[in-house]
Amino acid sequence: NAGVTQTPKFQVLKTGQSMTLQCAQDMNHNSMYWYRQDPGMGLRLIYYSASEGTTDKGEVPNGYNVSRLNKREFSLRLESAAPSQTSVYFCASNEASGTGVQPQHFGDGTRLSIL
Amino acid sequence: GQQVMQIPQYQHVQEGEDFTTYCNSSTTLSNIQWYKQRPGGHPVFLIQLVKSGEVKKQKRLTFQFGEAKKNSSLHITATQTTDVGTYFCAGNSGYSTLTFGKGTMLLVSP
Repeated sequence: NAGVTQTPKFQVLKTGQSMTLQCAQDMNHNSMYWYRQDPGMGLRLIYYSASEGTTDKGEVPNGYNVSRLNKREFSLRLESAAPSQTSVYFCASNEASGTGVQPQHFGDGTRLSIL
Repeated sequence: GQQVMQIPQYQHVQEGEDFTTYCNSSTTLSNIQWYKQRPGGHPVFLIQLVKSGEVKKQKRLTFQFGEAKKNSSLHITATQTTDVGTYFCAGNSGYSTLTFGKGTMLLVSP
């Protein structure tokens, strides 16, 4: 089992460019999450999807959009990238319906640099 | 909103020394989870604590959940170089999503 797969692993963008980060899980989980990780800041929740067909804002949603394409896939889009969005992005999934009670399984991350 | 604070931010120990990281929440938690992230890797779930005063052990790691369910700790006995990484606590209240602490980075020198 692959678990949670994120693509791409690395990306460099210019300010103003757009990009979609892809995430897919093969564990039949209901809930999926997007986090960003910056040095000394821990993991901050951008958006989450408690179940297929629903999405909700997390702590730092500005500048991002998401799509829960189906139960397996949850994508994160940067419409007009800014240097402040340089970060490592992690996708995660779990069985809970947004309660956070079940352990979250993380992908390997996407390292995104915006010049 | 809910805040989860973790201390220390960083600790450097000699192999064989003990290590403890502490986690404090501004609100009462329903449960707390601990994760480990190796350098360059992704967070990996270690354990979940649900009950007030709960203590769980995994080999050299001991996890505690406070009586008031507002704090938790992770203690590693006799650290090894394989323990290097950042340890995160994460908690939630009711039906809220997990809030992660900023993590404690552990460096172990041989």
